[in-house]
Amino acid sequence: QVQMVQSGAEVKKPGASVKVSCKASGYIFTNYGISWLRQAPGQGLEWMGWISAYNGNTRYAQRVQGRVTLTTDTSTTTAYMELRTLRSDDTAVYYCAREAEVSGVIMFAYWGQGSPVTVSP
Amino acid sequence: DIQMTQSPSSLSASVGDRVTITCRSSQSISSSLNWYQQKAGGVPKLLIYAASRLESGVPSRFSGSGSGTDFTLTISSLQPEDFATYYCQQSSRFHTFGQGTKLEIK
Repeated sequence: QVQMVQSGAEVKKPGASVKVSCKASGYIFTNYGISWLRQAPGQGLEWMGWISAYNGNTRYAQRVQGRVTLTTDTSTTTAYMELRTLRSDDTAVYYCAREAEVSGVIMFAYWGQGSPVTVSP
Repeated sequence: DIQMTQSPSSLSASVGDRVTITCRSSQSISSSLNWYQQKAGGVPKLLIYAASRLESGVPSRFSGSGSGTDFTLTISSLQPEDFATYYCQQSSRFHTFGQGTKLEIK
């Protein structure tokens, strides 16, 4: 069965960086893209970006472009999200999600359990 | 950017009720619309994809309809486990979510 297992909670100071990992299993890693999303406390879901596990191509949301880098390690079937220059409004639960595509529609069928990141002085 | 607007933001209903949630996109997205359920403290779960297709394992009381800019999620007969927050998501150009609809017990 498909599993996405993320790294644990992090507490960071403003201006620092955080790197969250997402270990995928149960499918051919390079066949699917992975998106990263986040959810601030009491708020809705925000898509941050996407990486192709096949060739490493990336797309980023405008709001985080320039501060976020998505990477993958195909040898360990792990995806990574690094967010730099952290601010208090980056406090959120960060999710990885494996994409699936049916008839040209992309959906998030499998999610990691979430990695809470707290940014506090 | 494509904006997604859900209504209502919150809804009180009783077990057995029929409930409809609406999602509108700021421009046409054809059928590139998905619905998710998120329970308190939990991970979002895919319910409906491509506007009207039921994800495997999701009860048939959930249904979706619409295309273009206007979409609906309907729960035909609310069950106790359905009280949660529901999000629509467009995947026509990148990804954008609606603000969510919190479904509460009346």
